[in-house]
Amino acid sequence: DVKVTQSSRYLVKRTGEKVFLECVQDMDHENMFWYRQDPGLGLRLIYFSYDVKMKEKGDIPEGYSVSREKKERFSLILESASTNQTSMYLCASSHTGTGDTDTQYFGPGTRLTVL
Amino acid sequence: GNSVTQMEGPVTLSEEAFLTINCTYTATGYPSLFWYVQYPGEGLQLLLKATKADDKGSNKGFEATYRKETTSFHLEKGSVQVSDSAVYFCALRHTGNQFYFGTGTSLTVIP
Repeated sequence: DVKVTQSSRYLVKRTGEKVFLECVQDMDHENMFWYRQDPGLGLRLIYFSYDVKMKEKGDIPEGYSVSREKKERFSLILESASTNQTSMYLCASSHTGTGDTDTQYFGPGTRLTVL
Repeated sequence: GNSVTQMEGPVTLSEEAFLTINCTYTATGYPSLFWYVQYPGEGLQLLLKATKADDKGSNKGFEATYRKETTSFHLEKGSVQVSDSAVYFCALRHTGNQFYFGTGTSLTVIP
């Protein structure tokens, strides 16, 4: 089975801190994604990456950056955390292609609270 | 552009009731369509999918049929259980690797 792991399930940080959220997948997927999930808004794409060192902005990239130095790892960085970044953060990965390989697999999520 | 619209919740049903959660999409061509489920405190899990028109995805008693003519992918289950209480997301993937998700429908099943 595909496994996507995230470094923390719960995280509490203070305003202005630099925050790193780590995601690792073990299925050699080319594509990795970061979403945030908020009540009534569903999932919103922050950034995605289709290859090592490649990144693309999603719908809400402001206040975030990402790093993908290795194929299996995709990091989300909050340069200076703010209270409006309190949310559930979900990482996902997928193969490139169609048919049976086009499913996204999700990690368990990190619930971040910024005080 | 690509988008997914699903019925708003929350939905509350009694055990053994019939479930329908509506989902319609906007996309050119033939996207792949998905239903994901999120149990409390967890990430999303793939529930079922369909990759071409008239395909039926099914899993754990849930079904959805890809209807190109109505651009729909409604989720159904004949008899829900308390353990089906979760948030359900409809999603599509078109050309490229990006997914488009609906806003989610919360289902609560009461004994």
